[in-house]
Amino acid sequence: SQTIHQWPATLVQPVGSPLSLECTVEGTSNPNLYWYRQAAGRGLQLLFYSVGIGQISSEVPQNLSASRPQDRQFILSSKKLLLSDSGFYLCAWSEQGLARGYTFGSGTRLTVV
Amino acid sequence: AQTVTQSQPEMSVQEAETVTLSCTYDTSESNYYLFWYKQPPSRQMILVIRQEAYKQQNATENRFSVNFQKAAKSFSLKISDSQLGDTAMYFCAYRSGGANNLFFGTGTRLTVIP
Repeated sequence: SQTIHQWPATLVQPVGSPLSLECTVEGTSNPNLYWYRQAAGRGLQLLFYSVGIGQISSEVPQNLSASRPQDRQFILSSKKLLLSDSGFYLCAWSEQGLARGYTFGSGTRLTVV
Repeated sequence: AQTVTQSQPEMSVQEAETVTLSCTYDTSESNYYLFWYKQPPSRQMILVIRQEAYKQQNATENRFSVNFQKAAKSFSLKISDSQLGDTAMYFCAYRSGGANNLFFGTGTRLTVIP
């Protein structure tokens, strides 16, 4: 069966520090991968998605970037965090060509201080 | 652009009763998919139910069912025999048939009262 792993679960980082959040999927190949952010009391905002290794699409301009170095690995990064980067970050995957909805990871709560 | 609107920020229901959560969406496409996700206090996003726009029959998953009104662009979720474990945020989501992205509404916080 397919599983998605996301870490760390919580993170407190100072303003100006770098960020690296990792997401991996097991049990499938060539998945679509996504990074979402959920601000407090808000819905989910799509940040990045990837349909293959090295292929990244950005939905909103921001202080963050994403990379997909391997088929089932998706990384969210920042060189210098801002206070506004605080939030709950969710990774998700879906099968190519199928609209069965996404499967989400357990999320990372990021607090920038 | 696609938008998803959930007009009920919060709702409550007595245990064992039935509750309906509302969702409307805006699209010019004919081929799309609709979803309801549940986010309990653990923050894990869980798919509750999905509906293909080309299907007239409303989707049902155990105690969860939808009322899909394509012409009105409405997609409500009905929870029957509400249980305490149904307490969560519920998000409606839209996906175009030709795209990869899911667009989410702002959510409805449901509280089941014992």
